[in-house]
Amino acid sequence: EVQLLESGGGLAQPGGSLRLSCAASGFTFSSYAMSWVRQAPRKGLEWVSSIIASGDRTYYADSVEGRFTISRDNTKNTLYLQMNSLRADDTAVYYCAKNLGYDWYYFDYWGQGDLVTVSS
Amino acid sequence: EVVLTQSPATLSLSPGERAALSCRASQNIGSYLAWYQQKPGQAPRLLMYDASNRATGIPARFVGSGSGTDFTLTISSLEPEDFAIYYCQHRYNWPLTFGGGTEVEIK
Repeated sequence: EVQLLESGGGLAQPGGSLRLSCAASGFTFSSYAMSWVRQAPRKGLEWVSSIIASGDRTYYADSVEGRFTISRDNTKNTLYLQMNSLRADDTAVYYCAKNLGYDWYYFDYWGQGDLVTVSS
Repeated sequence: EVVLTQSPATLSLSPGERAALSCRASQNIGSYLAWYQQKPGQAPRLLMYDASNRATGIPARFVGSGSGTDFTLTISSLEPEDFAIYYCQHRYNWPLTFGGGTEVEIK
């Protein structure tokens, strides 16, 4: 059974940093691209970032480019999102998502989500 | 950036009725479109990918169609568990984007 478990969320001050982790199990982690998708309170879904299976290539939404860094450790089956220079509009539930295939950027499994609140 | 526009914003229907949800892309995206269902307090669930392929475990009452710029998700006969918010998402290029969602509510 595929499981994705996010951690690391919480309250951060504007300009601060947080690192989200996503522990994956139930599939061959190193064979799939992975992504982060967020959802602000009472809003729709917003793609944040993706990383290919090997970790050699990453993609970002314009809204987070230069502030967030996606990475992965295939030896630990873990995905990360380092979030710096946080802003109030980064407040959202952040979902870790498994991509459907090696190069298929659809999301077939999702974590339960981790709430990040940016406020002073 | 590909903008996905979903309509209507809200669809009020009764169980057993047919639902047709629209997703329009701002440019030709071929068949590179997925549909997701999200219920309150839950993560989204993948329903369809590449416009017309049902994801694993998705019932046959969910049908995806379309290509180019116009796409439709049809639910042939609404079950009580189908009342939710539905999002479309493309994978044509970067950045990936989602539509704003259509809420299917009980009439």
